[in-house]
Amino acid sequence: GESVGLHLPTLSVQEGDNSIINCAYSNSASDYFIWYKQESGKGPQFIIDIRSNMDKRQGQRVTVLLNKTVKHLSLQIAATQPGDSAVYFCAENRENSGAGSYQLTFGKGTKLSVIP
Amino acid sequence: ETGVTQTPRHLVMGMTNKKSLKCEQHLGHNAMYWYKQSAKKPLELMFVYSLEERVENNSVPSRFSPECPNSSHLFLHLHTLQPEDSALYLCASSPEVGNSNQPQHFGDGTRLSIL
Repeated sequence: GESVGLHLPTLSVQEGDNSIINCAYSNSASDYFIWYKQESGKGPQFIIDIRSNMDKRQGQRVTVLLNKTVKHLSLQIAATQPGDSAVYFCAENRENSGAGSYQLTFGKGTKLSVIP
Repeated sequence: ETGVTQTPRHLVMGMTNKKSLKCEQHLGHNAMYWYKQSAKKPLELMFVYSLEERVENNSVPSRFSPECPNSSHLFLHLHTLQPEDSALYLCASSPEVGNSNQPQHFGDGTRLSIL
């Protein structure tokens, strides 16, 4: 079936180290991908996005890599801080069977814990 | 502050009660969404509205009834819910539904508990 999923459900990282969160997707027609961060008691917060015509995009301390050959997406967080502790979701945005509307499909999420 | 405000933040109700969840977005977006987030499950899309018109209804039971009186407000009316409906209900908005390159912006959700 078509799905978006995460390789690791939990990730523990030492403060100051880099974090890498991975995501696999199966729909080759997806052309837009988003990473969200969800802290406890809050809704998902947009972090960074990438279109399928790109393979890398950088933000502030975050980088998203897209490998369309193996349908893999990753989020890299540089110099991880305690405030980065949260659940991270990848999502793919694809058209609903030519209906002209687009639907986000989310993975289950990876919980990132930062060790002080 | 995400620009999407949901009320109430927490709601406890019995199975025979009727209640409503409210969402308001201050981003000038034309599309609004309801999602359900259960433990250990991916976010599930429930409803999509574009300019007050419902464009998606993902096989949601009729005990959930959405309402979109204008492009800034979205309601989810609840009636005769079941214990398995206990979850975090998230509202989101985006500029349009027909554009593939726009992220959705989420509120902080309503934590619903059914007794």
